[in-house]
Amino acid sequence: QSALTQPASVSGSPGQSITISCTGTSSDVGGYNYVSWYQQHPGKAPKVMIYDVSNRPSGVSIRFSGSKSGNTASLTISGLQAEDEADYYCNSYTSSRTLVFGGGTKLTVL
Amino acid sequence: QVQLVQSGAEVKKPGASMKVSCKASGYTFPGYYMHWVRQAPGQGLEWMGWINPNSGGTNYAQKFQGRVTMTRDTSISTAYMELSRLRSDDTAVYYCVRGGLIAAAPQDYWGQGTLVTVSS
Repeated sequence: QSALTQPASVSGSPGQSITISCTGTSSDVGGYNYVSWYQQHPGKAPKVMIYDVSNRPSGVSIRFSGSKSGNTASLTISGLQAEDEADYYCNSYTSSRTLVFGGGTKLTVL
Repeated sequence: QVQLVQSGAEVKKPGASMKVSCKASGYTFPGYYMHWVRQAPGQGLEWMGWINPNSGGTNYAQKFQGRVTMTRDTSISTAYMELSRLRSDDTAVYYCVRGGLIAAAPQDYWGQGTLVTVSS
């Protein structure tokens, strides 16, 4: 199972919106609505920001949203804030009943 | 509140085995899948496998087949992950992560992580 493809880095200024993509195949992202997004600050455990493609857990800011088209899922962060600077990972359920992560994207808030 | 408390850091020699424990509290342990994820220094997240604490059933990432064993003790709400024939590139932080009622369900709570260093 190959890792999902994410851009290595994205950046944006405070107040702007950014989108991080996560590309897989029809055996994972495209085949199931079980894509999650995680935020990880340095030295901390990851935190789920989006699950089941577009659902936000209680307590996560409405500035975070998720979507999917075909084999590509996306995480959008609107109204960027300094505290959003972190690493972001997607993961997906697969046809082998396993999970697979993306390589991760470093978000820099300029 | 849901808590996953992992065992402490370990230093292992190449070729040895490691076993990390993950004690769950605040929820019904058998009802939720448990995943194991690792992160090498400066690298991304890597899924290793899951265990269904109710049945004991497991599914491992192909990369770890033959080297990893996930078990649980429901009497003490604890999951275990054992990795054998350790190599230097197994140096990583290992996390247990609570899943859902089915293997596909999202993962929500993470343990604090256990650093395992493999060095001669």
